[in-house]
Amino acid sequence: KAGVTQTPRYLIKTRGQQVTLSCSPISGHRSVSWYQQTPGQGLQFLFEYFSETQRNKGNFPGRFSGRQFSNSRSEMNVSTLELGDSALYLCASSLSSEWGYTFGSGTRLTVV
Amino acid sequence: GDSVTQMEGPVTLSEEAFLTINCTYTATGYPSLFWYVQYPGEGLQLLLKATKADDKGSNKGFEATYRKETTSFHLEKGSVQVSDSAVYFCALSPSGDSWGKLQFGAGTQVVVTP
Repeated sequence: KAGVTQTPRYLIKTRGQQVTLSCSPISGHRSVSWYQQTPGQGLQFLFEYFSETQRNKGNFPGRFSGRQFSNSRSEMNVSTLELGDSALYLCASSLSSEWGYTFGSGTRLTVV
Repeated sequence: GDSVTQMEGPVTLSEEAFLTINCTYTATGYPSLFWYVQYPGEGLQLLLKATKADDKGSNKGFEATYRKETTSFHLEKGSVQVSDSAVYFCALSPSGDSWGKLQFGAGTQVVVTP
């Protein structure tokens, strides 16, 4: 079966711009979560959506936002990009806590 | 809050050596525990999981047992191969409605030499 698909794989943006990343979860998975991975901070939780509702949120500024559509696809948006937003952004989907999360290959965002 | 602590790397081993990566956690209730592996340039792959105390997760020769009394979930493999070189992450999923908020350890890089 198809895995978690993230688009685009790579992105280069200029400081001050905004960006939208997309995630298509495994069919039937209603929970989608997002993580930021950097060498200095490791893997940090951004937010989780379940049935179109944001259920959990991490400690990131309001510039980071997301949403989930009725087909469970999710997007995350970062406005007013800063150099420190350069990271690998990972999306993951799950059926339930017992099954764990399946991760996509990530979107590598570089802010210049 | 919930947290995961795992041993720092890199861990360098020869092929066929025994691997142990220590992981301890702090959490309320009864979290689920996971090990993920990340190869260069890729996302995370679920290696194994355990959802309750004394459960043993296993996959591809790797094993880990959920020890509630010591709040630990150490990863072991009896004989590593060069292809096991990767970064390994221990993670917990809290109980209740926060189960979607995975908490990760810092990751342990493992390097296996021929």
